[in-house]
Amino acid sequence: DAKTTQPPSMDCAEGRAANLPCNHSTISGNEYVYWYRQIHSQGPQYIIHGLKNNETNEMASLIITEDRKSSTLILPHATLRDTAVYYCIVRVGPNSGYALNFGKGTSLLVTP
Amino acid sequence: GAVVSQHPSWVICKSGTSVKIECRSLDFQATTMFWYRQFPKQSLMLMATSNEGSKATYEQGVEKDKFLINHASLTLSTLTVTSAHPEDSSFYICSARAVGQGSNQPQHFGDGTRLSIL
Repeated sequence: DAKTTQPPSMDCAEGRAANLPCNHSTISGNEYVYWYRQIHSQGPQYIIHGLKNNETNEMASLIITEDRKSSTLILPHATLRDTAVYYCIVRVGPNSGYALNFGKGTSLLVTP
Repeated sequence: GAVVSQHPSWVICKSGTSVKIECRSLDFQATTMFWYRQFPKQSLMLMATSNEGSKATYEQGVEKDKFLINHASLTLSTLTVTSAHPEDSSFYICSARAVGQGSNQPQHFGDGTRLSIL
């Protein structure tokens, strides 16, 4: 799996958009970008994933650059409950039997 | 849909005892389940991949005789920490792969089991 690089920590004011970057310059053509988050003492929670097109769901938006070497997860209106560690993971598609490998992620702190 | 239940959520026991953790897929069949371990302030580390009806595949450095994994049915995998010692204290998390459920998520995670060995 391609390696990802994320900033170790970020702050965001409540109600503002949180933009979390991820570099994955060695991504292969068949690898997807997945985002999970882990709130303290809980299991990881799926947020969104994409291959090359931008994606949006009820939780977030995922913007993938045209060369696919980086992406940004956007939480449009961050709340205090969005404080968590966010993991960007690159891996082959959802039907693969391979495990997700978690890096260090970005610790997002949403402040009042 | 695609809920994974882990039990117990926390356990405290004496050094030398064995502890069993259960991971159940509640509304789907999981041919593959994964076990992770997470130490404080660290990321999740994959311990093993468990396929229903066959032996688990362990990651390098994980003792298979220490961490016994059984995946006897399509909805249940168990992790037994044998002769647990304080260094085994950690947060253990399981996940399951939902096959044929229309899920676009590669893995669904349980809420973890916090194990403390005294």
